[in-house]
Amino acid sequence: AQSVTQLGSHVSVSEGALVLLRCNYSSSVPPYLFWYVQYPNQGLQLLLKYTSAATLVKGINGFEAEFKKSETSFHLTKPSAHMSDAAEYFCAVSGGSGNTGKLIFGQGTTLQVKP
Amino acid sequence: KAGVTQTPRYLIKTRGQQVTLSCSPISGHRSVSWYQQTPGQGLQFLFEYFSETQRNKGNFPGRFSGRQFSNSRSEMNVSTLELGDSALYLCASSSFLGSSETQYFGPGTRLLVL
Repeated sequence: AQSVTQLGSHVSVSEGALVLLRCNYSSSVPPYLFWYVQYPNQGLQLLLKYTSAATLVKGINGFEAEFKKSETSFHLTKPSAHMSDAAEYFCAVSGGSGNTGKLIFGQGTTLQVKP
Repeated sequence: KAGVTQTPRYLIKTRGQQVTLSCSPISGHRSVSWYQQTPGQGLQFLFEYFSETQRNKGNFPGRFSGRQFSNSRSEMNVSTLELGDSALYLCASSSFLGSSETQYFGPGTRLLVL
């Protein structure tokens, strides 16, 4: 069975500081991994996805994530936080048995950016 | 292209009633999935449809059902509503069915059951 664990339900950083949101996955098959962001009262917006083409994945708004198979991790980073980055972030995995797009999400991490 | 649209955006119902939510996928997308989001359980997969057929179903009671039409639009229905069904229901569409496909989400329908 697949699962995703996001370490830290709340992360607080100062504007201009490094953002690091942690995600670990469990999968018996090669995973496809996604990071989504959710702003208040909105749906989910894709930040980036990993599909085995490259271990370092660049996404929108300056975010990137590195796939580390040995650590079963897919942490999200951004060199310099902006106030507009304050939102909830979700890591997700797909690729279970069968041809399915079913996403399994982590519990989410709320990012607070302090001025 | 227009994004995924969901109607209605907000809904208030009472226990025991039923509700139907609608989702229009991005033009050309043939796969639609539904998710329930609550503070306690987070984001949970309900079901996915491709070519008018349910391809996968999450661990929800039979009160939750859905369907997909020939134009790829989808509806989900919840019968005999319970207080615990209060949630944000998100629809997502993708071009095809598959693990590597990117799912694009709509803004959701927020359901409140009183």
